[in-house]
Amino acid sequence: NAGVTQTPKFRILKIGQSMTLQCTQDMNHNYMYWYRQDPGMGLKLIYYSVGAGITDKGEVPNGYNVSRSTTEDFPLRLELAAPSQTSVYFCASSYRDRVSYNEQFFGPGTRLTVL
Amino acid sequence: TQLLEQSPQFLSIQEGENLTVYCNSSSVFSSLQWYRQEPGEGPVLLVTVVTGGEVKKLKRLTFQFGDARKDSSLHITAAQTGDTGLYLCAGNTGYSTLTFGKGTMLLVSP
Repeated sequence: NAGVTQTPKFRILKIGQSMTLQCTQDMNHNYMYWYRQDPGMGLKLIYYSVGAGITDKGEVPNGYNVSRSTTEDFPLRLELAAPSQTSVYFCASSYRDRVSYNEQFFGPGTRLTVL
Repeated sequence: TQLLEQSPQFLSIQEGENLTVYCNSSSVFSSLQWYRQEPGEGPVLLVTVVTGGEVKKLKRLTFQFGDARKDSSLHITAAQTGDTGLYLCAGNTGYSTLTFGKGTMLLVSP
């Protein structure tokens, strides 16, 4: 199993450009998450999904969009890139049922710079 | 809003020393997780503690969950350079998301 994979690893965008960060998991997990990590600030939740076709906002959703058409894929879209979106982005997945503890598996991250 | 405070924010020690890092909240969690993140990589789950007062050992790492399930600690015995990284705690309230602390950055020098 590859686990959680993210592409690209690095990207530089100009202000106003758009891009999609890709995330795929092969563990048949029902829950998926997008976080951003800024220096000294820990992980902040952008969006999450509890299953195909269902998404919900996290703590910092402004400027981002997501979709979940399959169990495996959870892309994150930036429509009009701004310097404030310079960060490292992590995708994570977990299997949730009535007895699980939401133990999350993370991808390697995408380092995004907006100039 | 549940908050998890981690301390210290940064810790620099020599190889062979012992250390303890803390994760505190005013909220009760149904379970709590510790993750380690190495530079340039994503966090990796180390342990989940579930029961108040629980102690779990993972080789040189000892994790404790407070009796009231509001706090936790991680103790490392005889630290090694491979222990260097960002240690994150995350609280589970039973809803869909976790609450993460800001982390303790540990640097172990030879």
